[in-house]
Amino acid sequence: NAGVTQTPKFQVLKTGQSMTLQCAQDMNHNSMYWYRQDPGMGLRLIYYSASEGTTDKGEVPNGYNVSRLNKREFSLRLESAAPSQTSVYFCASRWGGDQPQHFGDGTRLSIL
Amino acid sequence: QKEVEQDPGPLSVPEGAIVSLNCTYSNSAFQYFMWYRQYSRKGPELLMYTYSSGNKEDGRFTAQVDKSSKYISLFIRDSQPSDSATYLCAMSRGKNFGNEKLTFGTGTRLTIIP
Repeated sequence: NAGVTQTPKFQVLKTGQSMTLQCAQDMNHNSMYWYRQDPGMGLRLIYYSASEGTTDKGEVPNGYNVSRLNKREFSLRLESAAPSQTSVYFCASRWGGDQPQHFGDGTRLSIL
Repeated sequence: QKEVEQDPGPLSVPEGAIVSLNCTYSNSAFQYFMWYRQYSRKGPELLMYTYSSGNKEDGRFTAQVDKSSKYISLFIRDSQPSDSATYLCAMSRGKNFGNEKLTFGTGTRLTIIP
């Protein structure tokens, strides 16, 4: 039972570098989400994909892009990393209807 | 003002005590209410999931929703050291809204002292 798998678990980048965070789910879920978690701010939605082939902006999309590669995979890209993007990034997925979201264990990203 | 307010704690209680965790919210459109538990360096794990007002019980955990007061609670009975974690409340307008998006509280850090 892998659930939601995120890679890598940790990453350190320099300002201006690019990076893609990977997320895959094996639960045949339709919707997938990317969040960032910062102290005192809680979880904030960056982008989401309600179904394969669609993506939409969340609360804090600036500086990020996403790709819903197929039903299983949803990637998050930082084109030019900034120190303000230092955070823990979580991917989540859900089947749909009134079913809740299930989370991966996160990617800890530091940008120097 | 945030849509969802949650006391960040930290909260420390002795083993066996009853724990009460709370969130208030301002958006009356919220219909689905969730509690997630997050252990250190792990992702949030769904604990309780309720729709509209009322109580829901699952073992030692009880979730309570009062929509008239815009207030939700999570009670933990006979608390155990393994309950030490950060507890996040979350809510959404529900499936009829279309693409369900969650709004989270900032989390309450709970420590159960043996």
